Amino acid sequence: GAVVSQHPSWVICKSGTSVKIECRSLDFQATTMFWYRQFPKQSLMLMATSNEGSKATYEQGVEKDKFLINHASLTLSTLTVTSAHPEDSSFYICSARDHRLAGGPGDTQYFGPGTRLTVL
Amino acid sequence: AQSVTQPDIHITVSEGASLELRCNYSYGATPYLFWYVQSPGQGLQLLLKYFSGDTLVQGIKGFEAEFKRSQSSFNLRKPSVHWSDAAEYFCAVGLAAGNKLTFGGGTRVLVKP
Repeated sequence: GAVVSQHPSWVICKSGTSVKIECRSLDFQATTMFWYRQFPKQSLMLMATSNEGSKATYEQGVEKDKFLINHASLTLSTLTVTSAHPEDSSFYICSARDHRLAGGPGDTQYFGPGTRLTVL
Repeated sequence: AQSVTQPDIHITVSEGASLELRCNYSYGATPYLFWYVQSPGQGLQLLLKYFSGDTLVQGIKGFEAEFKRSQSSFNLRKPSVHWSDAAEYFCAVGLAAGNKLTFGGGTRVLVKP
């Protein structure tokens, strides 16, 4: 089946630094990827929709200058947490929509394994 | 605005017993409905999905779910649980299978030997 990878799987950084998380679709093209955030023992909250070649669409309450999203190719989206602070510590999960199947009966998305960010 | 409610935060079930996880949703139209499972250290895995047709949907790992429009519910069931079913289960809704999803709060399932 289709695979979505995330890198790194975990990262620890100091407060004030920036961290980049990659989301890759390994065997399919994804014009659309989604970024979710999951706090410990809580549900997933959609942060933004990443569209290849255009600006991301952020959900209400998500700071676009804080969470920079770049979707420069059909297989890669990146989330950069800028000037990270301890409250940004969370589990970040991406999903990717299979471009070939979008809008059709087989339309689906695949989730990455997640990236755990800890900001000290 | 759309919302998904999973009333049970934790459920403990004995191995071999049946399991039912509840999910209620609020949506402007009939949405796509999903159940995902999240095991420690692993990504979300789709168990099953529903949009139209037969309201009883079969999924992977022996799970099934029933859509009840009148109750805005999409409950997940398994007749006999295995220890490997211990995980977090999320109900989700979306406009399309590949579109952004709204997740419920999750239900953590513990399986007793």
